[in-house]
Amino acid sequence: EVQLLESGGGLVQPGGSLRLSCAASGITFSSHAMSWVRQAPGKGLEWVSAISDTGGSTYYADSVKGRFTISRDNSKNTLYLQMNSLRAEDTAVYYCAKDLGTVTTYYFDYWGQGTLVTVSS
Amino acid sequence: SSELTQDPAVSVALGQTVRITCQGDSLRSYYASWYQQKPGQAPVLVIYGKNNRPSGIPDRFSGSSSGNTASLTITGAQAEDEADYYCNSRDSSGDHVVFGGGTKLTVL
Repeated sequence: EVQLLESGGGLVQPGGSLRLSCAASGITFSSHAMSWVRQAPGKGLEWVSAISDTGGSTYYADSVKGRFTISRDNSKNTLYLQMNSLRAEDTAVYYCAKDLGTVTTYYFDYWGQGTLVTVSS
Repeated sequence: SSELTQDPAVSVALGQTVRITCQGDSLRSYYASWYQQKPGQAPVLVIYGKNNRPSGIPDRFSGSSSGNTASLTITGAQAEDEADYYCNSRDSSGDHVVFGGGTKLTVL
């Protein structure tokens, strides 16, 4: 059974930092690109960032470029999202999502249950 | 344009057919994928590529594309199909992803 388990969310002040993790099981983690997708309360889905199977290629939405860093540790089957200079508008549930391909197809066939990030003073 | 446009809400009578559409310039170059999201749950992939269904997705779900419009069709809608539906595709650059705003489907 495929499982993606996010952690690391919480309440943080504007300008602060958080590191999200996504632990994968039931898949050959190193064979798939991965993404982070977020959803603000009551709003739609917004893609945040993607990383190729080896980690050699990374991609970011304009809204987070320069503030967020995606990475992965294939030896630990874990995906990360380092979030710096957080803003109120970053408040959302953050999902990790498995890509169908080794490179980014952006077809997300498995999703975690999400972790809530709240940016507020 | 890097945007995908969906109707905010659509309704369908139980057992009838409904089409949910997604419009955007990038759809002229890239196929869409479609996600179903029920309240409090993570999205579920229902259609990807030209018209591919992941394992476990009922065959009443199908996809199509023409010009700048992608469509998700549910043939014989069931009560459990009531959910929000999102399309996505690559944007015009090809390196990024854009999601549509979502369509709330009500099964009457």
